[in-house]
Amino acid sequence: AQSVTQPDIHITVSEGASLELRCNYSYGATPYLFWYVQSPGQGLQLLLKYFSGDTLVQGIKGFEAEFKRSQSSFNLRKPSVHWSDAAEYFCAVGEDFGNEKLTFGTGTRLTIIP
Amino acid sequence: DVKVTQSSRYLVKRTGEKVFLECVQDMDHENMFWYRQDPGLGLRLIYFSYDVKMKEKGDIPEGYSVSREKKERFSLILESASTNQTSMYLCASSAAGEGDQPQHFGDGTRLSIL
Repeated sequence: AQSVTQPDIHITVSEGASLELRCNYSYGATPYLFWYVQSPGQGLQLLLKYFSGDTLVQGIKGFEAEFKRSQSSFNLRKPSVHWSDAAEYFCAVGEDFGNEKLTFGTGTRLTIIP
Repeated sequence: DVKVTQSSRYLVKRTGEKVFLECVQDMDHENMFWYRQDPGLGLRLIYFSYDVKMKEKGDIPEGYSVSREKKERFSLILESASTNQTSMYLCASSAAGEGDQPQHFGDGTRLSIL
């Protein structure tokens, strides 16, 4: 069974600084990978997804993520964070061939300081 | 835009009560999901459904049941609520695919069992 690890429970960055959130997955084949964001009191919103092709994918709100097969990683990045980026971020991996379940990581909470 | 609506944002019930959480989606999605979210544990899948009247157990189905009588509606039922079911409950839906379809989430129901 696949699994997802987000090693950082909580990250604090200054507004305007760059950001990288880590995600490692365990899956035998090429995975379907997703990043979601959850603002306080809200549901999850899709930031970006990777299925195949270009390993650097662009998402909404200025986020990007890079798939590295050799490292089994799919890290999320943003060059300059804004106070509104404070939220919880979840990485997820999808199964294939008609099974639409996602396995989520435990999340990384992002705090932005002025 | 996909809209997933959960009937209540906050709900307080008593131990032993039968509790119904309702979820409606407006995009004719085949798949619907119920998760619970607890601090440090991420999202855990309770039940999911690929079609009307069809359901499959997720990772933590004990103490829960579901109903999907119409394509747009997926209900989560706590047969006899217990305090350890106090949690945030998230509903999601997705189109049929091959594991590549993102899930769209509602805003969640924060359920307290007293």
